[in-house]
Amino acid sequence: EADIYQTPRYLVIGTGKKITLECSQTMGHDKMYWYQQDPGMELHLIHYSYGVNSTEKGDLSSESTVSRIRTEHFPLTLESARPSHTSQYLCASQGLGLYEQYFGPGTRLTVT
Amino acid sequence: GIQVEQSPPDLILQEGANSTLRCNFSDSVNNLQWFHQNPWGQLINLFYIPSGTKQNGRLSATTVATERYSLLYISSSQTTDSGVYFCAVVKAAGNKLTFGGGTRVLVKP
Repeated sequence: EADIYQTPRYLVIGTGKKITLECSQTMGHDKMYWYQQDPGMELHLIHYSYGVNSTEKGDLSSESTVSRIRTEHFPLTLESARPSHTSQYLCASQGLGLYEQYFGPGTRLTVT
Repeated sequence: GIQVEQSPPDLILQEGANSTLRCNFSDSVNNLQWFHQNPWGQLINLFYIPSGTKQNGRLSATTVATERYSLLYISSSQTTDSGVYFCAVVKAAGNKLTFGGGTRVLVKP
């Protein structure tokens, strides 16, 4: 199984602040993903990456941006947080040629 | 895109009871995963099962790919089984997971 880490686990922040949600994995997986989830609801893909310097937008439009400078690291940034960004953000990874995705513990973001 | 529907949406069980959760999908898939999301939001991998049957302790799953459905069985349920169970699929020749709406399970002592 993959070891995936997300920080912070919980974040309460005011409107207009810039935030970065961190995601890292130690398994050398090429594929990484960010999902957004409202409490108890289905997950929606917002960004994904199939390798270093490769990023794509997912199915759900998001004002966030991502970068993939190192294989193990896939941070997500919101330049100006708004209350509509309040949600849980889950990071996942998947090895090349493998089918299972493994998820981090998530970051629960509240924008006041 | 592919549609994934889970039923029932909510399930209340008495501890020790058995239950079956269903996942229907609208197209051929090359990946199907079952997850359990605990009350802290963590998604735990239960099964990778694009076809066939697997068992892990009190949990088992069966996917009938030709009929486009999968079933998750919980036997002798425990309070720690509470949470949301998600089915997620990757469409054949695709590469992105699509999630169902989940089944919210509450196991009462």
